[in-house]
Amino acid sequence: EAGVTQFPSHSVIEKGQTVTLRCDPISGHDNLYWYRRVMGKEIKFLLHFVKESKQDESGMPNNRFLAERTGGTYSTLKVQPAELEDSGVYFCASSQEETGERFFGQGTRLTVV
Amino acid sequence: EDQVTQSPEALRLQEGESSSLNCSYTVSGLRGLFWYRQDPGKGPEFLFTLYSAGEEKEKERLKATLTKKESFLHITAPKPEDSATYLCAVQTGGSYIPTFGRGTSLIVHP
Repeated sequence: EAGVTQFPSHSVIEKGQTVTLRCDPISGHDNLYWYRRVMGKEIKFLLHFVKESKQDESGMPNNRFLAERTGGTYSTLKVQPAELEDSGVYFCASSQEETGERFFGQGTRLTVV
Repeated sequence: EDQVTQSPEALRLQEGESSSLNCSYTVSGLRGLFWYRQDPGKGPEFLFTLYSAGEEKEKERLKATLTKKESFLHITAPKPEDSATYLCAVQTGGSYIPTFGRGTSLIVHP
């Protein structure tokens, strides 16, 4: 069974540019989560999808971040325009149940220069 | 505000030298405490979930325990392949969203 996959694994962009991260959850997992880890700090929750609906987006930093999950399958997280403080590792995770075990992808390391 | 503190930040052990990692938390209404292992360049990998004080879970050389204020991850006779960052996260009654600690970086020397 394929795990959670994220693309790209690394991205280096200039301040002001746009970047789109993609996450493919484990097949059949309705719950999809985005997290971010800024260097030296803990992993922070960004948002949670149940199928195609946003269940909770309380962790989204600001309106430069836009997440979508069309059709309830893969999800994208767009940062537009990117700022230096957006640098970090963005993780996606999925789970069958909301309170169940979360399976994480390998992360996308975003560097804004 | 919910807080999760892990200690030590980094730990170096010799192969076979047993030790414990600590995760202390100040939350209201603990629903669950999770331990993850994270290898460089990879995402966190689930290890254990603990739900109530006194609960213990084991997997190979790892044993996780839980009290009302903290959890320990005991590593017995570690091997170099146990080297990784170990993350703790807590889930409270008010929210299913886990709060993560910063992790403990463990290096086991052969």
